[in-house]
Amino acid sequence: QKEVEQNSGPLSVPEGAIASLNCTYSDRVSQSFFWYRQYSGKSPELIMSIYSNGDKEDGRFTAQLNKASQYVSLLIRDSQPSDSATYLCAVNTSGGFKTIFGAGTRLFVKA
Amino acid sequence: NAGVTQTPKFRILKIGQSMTLQCTQDMNHNYMYWYRQDPGMGLKLIYYSVGAGITDKGEVPNGYNVSRSTTEDFPLRLELAAPSQTSVYFCASSYSRTGALRDTQYFGPGTRLTVL
Repeated sequence: QKEVEQNSGPLSVPEGAIASLNCTYSDRVSQSFFWYRQYSGKSPELIMSIYSNGDKEDGRFTAQLNKASQYVSLLIRDSQPSDSATYLCAVNTSGGFKTIFGAGTRLFVKA
Repeated sequence: NAGVTQTPKFRILKIGQSMTLQCTQDMNHNYMYWYRQDPGMGLKLIYYSVGAGITDKGEVPNGYNVSRSTTEDFPLRLELAAPSQTSVYFCASSYSRTGALRDTQYFGPGTRLTVL
């Protein structure tokens, strides 16, 4: 079982719609969860972090964490073509020193 | 602040050659990391460092070496390049241990390496 799993996509949504990205992880005692956005040919940049069960909102982005089910999701409201990128889910392991990244979900927002 | 800088941006190596990928950060971060990213894949941790003089292996350390003599610099050494090391290499840094201060990793622009 992969430590962090994501649907590779591509996920295609029309402009203005909600994009929903999902991630599951295997280390039950993981503490910190991150969503990074990576444009083609660029380096990853952090867009959301979440540490407690529930929802965390930041502008058009909402991260959702359910530790009992071991999943974390990212919702992008009012999707824009500029949101088209690969979204990487990242989980810090119980030891704290290492971040495990998923393979990423490619998102396409159609104008 | 320049953040995390990496050199070179691109490099082509022949099998068996050696090279050093440079990484420098000016944010006074304790933690530094080296990742590789193969096409269509996520990031795999090669080595990391929790401070000057302290390094440890990540998920895929074979074929690589690192050193950390200063807080700012964390070079990655490839001794005998192999085609399997063709990848994009990212250096990253963070302030402190995750969980304690919920550190965010800041990434450099990457080095695209091809081994022929």
